[in-house]
Amino acid sequence: GAVVSQHPSWVICKSGTSVKIECRSLDFQATTMFWYRQFPKQSLMLMATSNEGSKATYEQGVEKDKFLINHASLTLSTLTVTSAHPEDSSFYICSATTYRTGVYTEAFFGQGTRLTVV
Amino acid sequence: RKEVEQDPGPFNVPEGATVAFNCTYSNSASQSFFWYRQDCRKEPKLLMSVYSSGNEDGRFTAQLNRASQYISLLIRDSKLSDSATYLCVVNIRLYGGSQGNLIFGKGTKLSVKP
Repeated sequence: GAVVSQHPSWVICKSGTSVKIECRSLDFQATTMFWYRQFPKQSLMLMATSNEGSKATYEQGVEKDKFLINHASLTLSTLTVTSAHPEDSSFYICSATTYRTGVYTEAFFGQGTRLTVV
Repeated sequence: RKEVEQDPGPFNVPEGATVAFNCTYSNSASQSFFWYRQDCRKEPKLLMSVYSSGNEDGRFTAQLNRASQYISLLIRDSKLSDSATYLCVVNIRLYGGSQGNLIFGKGTKLSVKP
């Protein structure tokens, strides 16, 4: 399958600081990238859908000013957690897919980023 | 009704057992379907796509029933290494030219015991 690289794989930061997570599709052009959050023993929760060159669409309850998403190219999307707090500690995962002839192809996931805010 | 629903489990089965998961979807405009597998503390990985005619990959068989709006995954001769959470994914196409969305079920947990 296609390769999606997510960086960093883990990060510890102080409360009040910002953290940037990168998601890159290495061998295909991703028209759409999804950002998820997953708390321990819970299911994936979609945070936002990001289409290249346009503003991200956020799910209800997700603060767009806190979770800044940029999708400037077909191979890179970034998620910035601004003014992080301990309750933002979670596993953040991106996935990338291509929209082709009316449907999405299968989504490929990055390895995830484990964020701990202290 | 939720867009994609799965029995959360857990399904606890002995090695060698056959186990089946179902997933129902509510949007009849759904276009494509997938099963993913997620191991603990890891990212989901594509297990198989689901085609209208049904498809098989070794011990895994996926089927789609558009009339009843459900997809299924059958695992035969289960192994210890099959223990994971299995996610059903549906591509819903919206009307008006919008790109639609990939909707994930919450997953079914499988635990295969020796």
